Formats: sequence, C-alpha cells, structure tokens
Amino acid sequence: GQNIDQPTEMTATEGAIVQINCTYQTSGFNGLFWYQQHAGEAPTFLSYNVLDGLEEKGRFSSFLSRSKGYSYLLLKELQMKDSASYLCAVSSASGGSYIPTFGRGTSLIVHP
Amino acid sequence: DTGVSQNPRHKITKRGQNVTFRCDPISEHNRLYWYRQTLGQGPEFLTYFQNEAQLEKSRLLSDRFSAERPKGSFSTLEIQRTEQGDSAMYLCASSFPETGAYGYTFGSGTRLTVV
Repeated sequence: GQNIDQPTEMTATEGAIVQINCTYQTSGFNGLFWYQQHAGEAPTFLSYNVLDGLEEKGRFSSFLSRSKGYSYLLLKELQMKDSASYLCAVSSASGGSYIPTFGRGTSLIVHP
Repeated sequence: DTGVSQNPRHKITKRGQNVTFRCDPISEHNRLYWYRQTLGQGPEFLTYFQNEAQLEKSRLLSDRFSAERPKGSFSTLEIQRTEQGDSAMYLCASSFPETGAYGYTFGSGTRLTVV
C-alpha cells in the first residue's frame, strides 16, 4: 500500500509565500500530483512530477525528491482565493493500474 | 466539451433505499474513475474503467456497490440498500490512459446523504 502524509492545516498572509509538504512511502513510484480543492467543489489539477526537481507554473511550483519520498507545493504571492485544500496524490505501479492514491489534504487559510 | 458532468448534484435518501449516480466524462478520455470523499479526507478510489471494461475495483468497495460503463461513454454507480456510512461526496474523473502532465479531470461530484 501507500502512505501519504501532509499537514492538516496551514495559515498564511496575503502576498506571502507558503510551502506545503508531502511525504510518501510507496513501491513502484510512477508520479506525484498536486490538486487544489475549494470547499464543496471538485479537485482541480495543479501539477505533476515524475522526475526529481522543481516544476514551475506561474505562482505555483512543485518539487520532488524520489530518494527522500518527499514533495512540496510552493505558492507565491498568495491571494485570498488560494484558500483551499491542497491534495497530494501518488501514482504507483502497484497492480499495474497506476491509480493515484490521495493524501488527506492540507487546508490552507489565507488571511489579509 | 464542457468537462466531466455528474448528476444529480445532491441526493438525499432513506437508509435501505437504492441510489444511482451518473457520470459523463470528457469525450476524448477513455479512462473513467469513481472516487468517494468524506469530510476532511482526500478522495478514496473505488473503481475505474478503460472504455467499457471495468479493470479494477477497490477492496473497500462492498458488494452493495456496482458500476457500469456499457458503451464506453457515460458511467453509472449504483449503491443498493444504502447505509448511513455511505454518506459522502462521490466524485467521477476521466483521463487519457497516460495521464502524465494532464492529470485527471474531476466532475463536481454527487453529494449523497443517507438519513
């Protein structure tokens, strides 16, 4: 099975930078996804990492270290609308299906 | 294409009743997934289809749950003899087989409340 751990809740100030960490344990790692989910809405895809390093996409960046089983999502120039849950999901070759397993999510609260 | 569509958005049912949800995926996507999400948790995998073939079911999926995708397009998820523990958001997602940087596109979900 897979074990995915991320903080339950984080708070940050508008305009600041926040880093949301995710650690995982899995065999046959095949990629890591980050999703954003506003309350009552569907998760929306943010990023995908399969090789070590940093992937940048506008205000959002995601980092992966496969040897450490570690990823983080970096949000810059925080806006109030960034208040949401951020889900880390890991895909593995277990069973050959590569179905991602989601963590519990980190609830980010951005305040003025 | 308007994305992944799920109906109904909300469903309230009495314990013991059967319910059925529908998912219409993005037309180019041949993979379709069902997830369940409870408050404060991440989505939990239930089952997935590639075209009309159901390729995997979670061990957590009891025999009261059944899913179909008869023509490889829309899918239905049926829960028989509902229990209060079935109350959750049921999410459908679709993707290409090799998702990579494209990820999975989720629908807005069906919120089930069993009373």
